[in-house]
Order: sequence, then C-alpha cells, then structure tokens
Amino acid sequence: DTEVTQTPKHLVMGMTNKKSLKCEQHMGHRAMYWYKQKAKKPPELMFVYSYEKLSINESVPSRFSPECPNSSLLNLHLHALQPEDSALYLCASSHRIAGGPLGELFFGEGSRLTVL
Amino acid sequence: KNEVEQSPQNLTAQEGEFITINCSYSVGISALHWLQQHPGGGIVSLFMLSSGKKKHGRLIATINIQEKHSSLHITASHPRDSAVYICAAAFYSGGGADGLTFGKGTHLIIQP
Repeated sequence: DTEVTQTPKHLVMGMTNKKSLKCEQHMGHRAMYWYKQKAKKPPELMFVYSYEKLSINESVPSRFSPECPNSSLLNLHLHALQPEDSALYLCASSHRIAGGPLGELFFGEGSRLTVL
Repeated sequence: KNEVEQSPQNLTAQEGEFITINCSYSVGISALHWLQQHPGGGIVSLFMLSSGKKKHGRLIATINIQEKHSSLHITASHPRDSAVYICAAAFYSGGGADGLTFGKGTHLIIQP
C-alpha cells in the first residue's frame, strides 16, 4: 500500500465552524507533513511531524491546529478560518532518518477547502 | 536563504519533442525532488536524487551538486505528459532536512 489517503476531498465551511482534515498512511513512514497550496502557486510547508512530534511550525496561525495521534494518522483541526484560508491542503509522508535526509515523499490527493 | 528557482515557467511543445526543465538552488541540500501535479491537485513524486542521474521510462533527471543545478528531461513527449512539474529541495537545517522548499513549477503543455 503506497497511498496517502486524505478526507474529505472537498470541504465548505463558514468562518465560525470547527472542522478537521484527516490524513492516513500505512507505509510505516515516520514523517508526515501538511502543505497549503493556493491556485497556481507552489505548495507551502505548514507543519512537519517527525516520530509523532511536531518539529516545524512555519509560523502558521493558531486557527490551524495539527495533531498526530499515531504514526499512521495526521489531522488538521480548523477553527475560525478566514476566506483567504481557502486553498488545497495536501498531506504527505516519507521515511525519516533522525538527523538525516528525507525519503521520497508520497502525497495525498488533497482536501480542497472553501471558507465562506 | 533557502531558494529554489525553476525555468521555464511555461512551456508548450509538440508531441515527440525533447523537453528540458531546469532547477537551481541556493545552498547545500540533502536531496532534490522532482514532482508532477496534474489539474485537480494530487502530486506524484517522479524522482528523488542527491547525485548523478536517474531514469524512469521516458523521464531522466540529473543533478550537479557543485553547480547546484538539476534538470528534468522528457524524451518523446506525449500529450499525457501535460502537467505542472515542480522541483523541490530538501535543505539542511539544524536537525537534518525537514520538509521541502518548492520551485514555482513549470506548466508544460504537449500539443498533439
């Protein structure tokens, strides 16, 4: 199984809603990532989890809250978002050698978020 | 500063043509990734390389560590190769490489 599965594929939410994006992989990868991608722009790194610990938070607003319950699952909790947060949210995973290089990245299909 | 520059931004070619996309980066990396993104979102990893050359089917990726430059070549291009190709670098940080820094992508269209 070389898949990264993201749910939901599409999400529409109001600015007062609380919702979550989910990501799952069963490849034994110990590094998982959230990226945000706006239209016609490259992905931007939001969060990195390495061995279930948050290792990078690229100055992302607190209305985005990541969670890594176990080595196969990654969540992104959303609360009080703004319309400018509408984007494609991509999850990825890779092998991770502590203090060393990343392995090949496997991406999910993304969750397309629209904030009204 | 960790930067990745990619060229060209847009490329339109005829079916069968040899395609080259270039990528340069600013400082030392642990690996360089070439990715493909079709309309609709999903990203597929094509190559990960830290030296030399890799080949997969009609795709070839090369990297020159001294010159901090990589190229992606497509031989005998086909309309199904039409996609955005993204170069991404895994830069070293204090604890090892974390995440990728992406180039702006090359939007490739292969016309029949």
